[in-house]
Amino acid sequence: EVQLLESGGGLVQPGGSLRLSCTASGYTFSSCAMTWVRQAPGKGLEWVSTISGSGGAIYYADSVKGRFTISRDNSKNTLYLQMNSLRAEDTALYYCAKDFLNEAYFDSWGQGTLVSVSS
Amino acid sequence: DIQMTQSPSTLSASVGDRVTITCRASQSIRNWLAWYQQKPGKGPKLLIYKASSLESGVPSRFSGSGSGTEFTLTISSLQPDDFAIYYCQQYNSYWTFGQGTKVEIK
Repeated sequence: EVQLLESGGGLVQPGGSLRLSCTASGYTFSSCAMTWVRQAPGKGLEWVSTISGSGGAIYYADSVKGRFTISRDNSKNTLYLQMNSLRAEDTALYYCAKDFLNEAYFDSWGQGTLVSVSS
Repeated sequence: DIQMTQSPSTLSASVGDRVTITCRASQSIRNWLAWYQQKPGKGPKLLIYKASSLESGVPSRFSGSGSGTEFTLTISSLQPDDFAIYYCQQYNSYWTFGQGTKVEIK
């Protein structure tokens, strides 16, 4: 059974930094692209960033480009999201999601980790 | 950027009803469309991929159709477990979600 467990969320001041982690199990981690999707309180889903299985291809939404960095450690089955220069509008529940064999849709999701940006 | 527009935003229905949700893309996405179901406090669950392919384990009352710019998700006979929010998502060019459709009890 595929399991994705996010961690690292919390309360941070505007301009601060935070690193999220997503630990995967139940499948061959390095075979699948991984994605971060966020959901602001009471709002819909917003794609944030995607990284290929090897880490060689990376994509960002315009809203986070230049501030967020996605990475992965295939030896640890872990996905990361380094978030810098955080803004109030980055406040959201952040989900990690697994791509189905790089087909670009998401067949498994975690439960999310909450990031709150406030002074 | 490709924009996805769902309608309606909210849908009131009864158990046993046939329910249809529409998703329109701002440009052609061929059939690169997925549908997800989200319940309170949970991550989304994949229902349909490639516009009409049913994800393993998803009940057959769910179906998807369409191509190009117009797509539909149909629930043939609404069950109590189906009251949730539904999102479409295009993956033709990067990734974009629709704004969601809440299916509530009438």
